[in-house]
Amino acid sequence: SQWGEENLQALSIQEGEDVTMNCSYKTYTTVVHWYRQDSGRGPALIILIRSNEREKRSGRLRATLDTSSQSSSLSITAAQCEDTAVYFCATDGTQVVGQLTFGRGTRLQVYA
Amino acid sequence: NAGVIQTPRHKVTGKGQEATLWCEPISGHSAVFWYRQTIVQGLEFLTYFRNQAPIDDSGMPKERFSAQMPNQSHSTLKIQSTQPQDSAVYLCASSLRDWGVQNTLYFGAGTRLSVL
Repeated sequence: SQWGEENLQALSIQEGEDVTMNCSYKTYTTVVHWYRQDSGRGPALIILIRSNEREKRSGRLRATLDTSSQSSSLSITAAQCEDTAVYFCATDGTQVVGQLTFGRGTRLQVYA
Repeated sequence: NAGVIQTPRHKVTGKGQEATLWCEPISGHSAVFWYRQTIVQGLEFLTYFRNQAPIDDSGMPKERFSAQMPNQSHSTLKIQSTQPQDSAVYLCASSLRDWGVQNTLYFGAGTRLSVL
């Protein structure tokens, strides 16, 4: 079965620093989703990268995808306190339409 | 657009009691998903519907858990004879389509179920 997993589970950085979170997955995926979850809320999509893309940017966010190593990363430039959240990668699969498999998540704490 | 609405936000049940969780998806979305979130297991897929029809319930515990979608405006997750290990946040999500890049999940805030 397919799964996704972040390599780091908790990160704590100072405001203004850059940070990168990694995700590896075991089976083919057509797209990698990155979600963030704020305390008391459900996850929300922040960036999505397709299998034919190597890099995707959105504001201070940058996602990369390496299909040969089946890994993706999410980078945040100049992190701010409001970036504090849990970040998940999620992958789909060609075998099971619809279901997204989520990684374990990385808890990011940005302090002033 | 109010987003995906889940009720109640918190539910406390005694061991052996029944719990029914409600979800109102975003209007116009064809797919509705249920996930369970715990510290230990993370986000686990339970089941999903497409155009109200059950498509995949491979993540549902075979006993005691059931899900329905009687109409396009709501879905329910029912847990019979709740056990302490059922304690979790149950998340409902909807998406415009259930495949491809349009399979972006819009999650509700979740229902936190506590079984005493």
